[in-house]
Amino acid sequence: DTGVSQDPRHKITKRGQNVTFRCDPISEHNRLYWYRQTLGQGPEFLTYFQNEAQLEKSRLLSDRFSAERPKGSFSTLEIQRTEQGDSAMYLCASSIDSGSGWETQYFGPGTRLLVL
Amino acid sequence: AQSVSQHNHHVILSEAASLELGCNYSYGGTVNLFWYVQYPGQHLQLLLKYFSGDPLVKGIKGFEAEFIKSKFSFNLRKPSVQWSDTAEYFCAVNTGGTGGGNKLTFGTGTQLKVEL
Repeated sequence: DTGVSQDPRHKITKRGQNVTFRCDPISEHNRLYWYRQTLGQGPEFLTYFQNEAQLEKSRLLSDRFSAERPKGSFSTLEIQRTEQGDSAMYLCASSIDSGSGWETQYFGPGTRLLVL
Repeated sequence: AQSVSQHNHHVILSEAASLELGCNYSYGGTVNLFWYVQYPGQHLQLLLKYFSGDPLVKGIKGFEAEFIKSKFSFNLRKPSVQWSDTAEYFCAVNTGGTGGGNKLTFGTGTQLKVEL
């Protein structure tokens, strides 16, 4: 399977704990995006990387959230001191920058987080 | 900031009925437009996209969408739905361009149920 993969697929944690999610993009894709989706809503943009550089962050991404893409391949999203409001599906998408600025993003299966 | 509106939140159709799902966006500049579909238990998949050129675009599984710039709309259509089209459909806009900002803004989704 050469699609976007995410790990874990499900995570249950207690309020106040830290969690980390991993995303492996499609191998030749240099852009990687994180989105969050809550029940009844469409995905909302959190942040994106071009290679290892984090180029944009949403104001949704509070100080408790941090994302990295250290070698321009896989990415991690960490949430510190989780809150019940962090419960959501966290989606990763990747794309290739064709140089035109226009691109198609391909999504992974997501990590469903439940904070108790 | 751009926004995307999907006016139909739940649609129930019988097999062979025609489908039209509305999508309107608010952004005055050049946009890319997408429809993604999420089948039960599966991840978001690209259904079709509009970058430029012919405003009538065709996607997978017999779906098509028409970009009407004057109406800021990108409605999804299928002449005859099948039970297997039961899924949630998301419209998204990417205002894109070089230098970053390629995040997608999604609508809230339309849950389609096709009955036998």
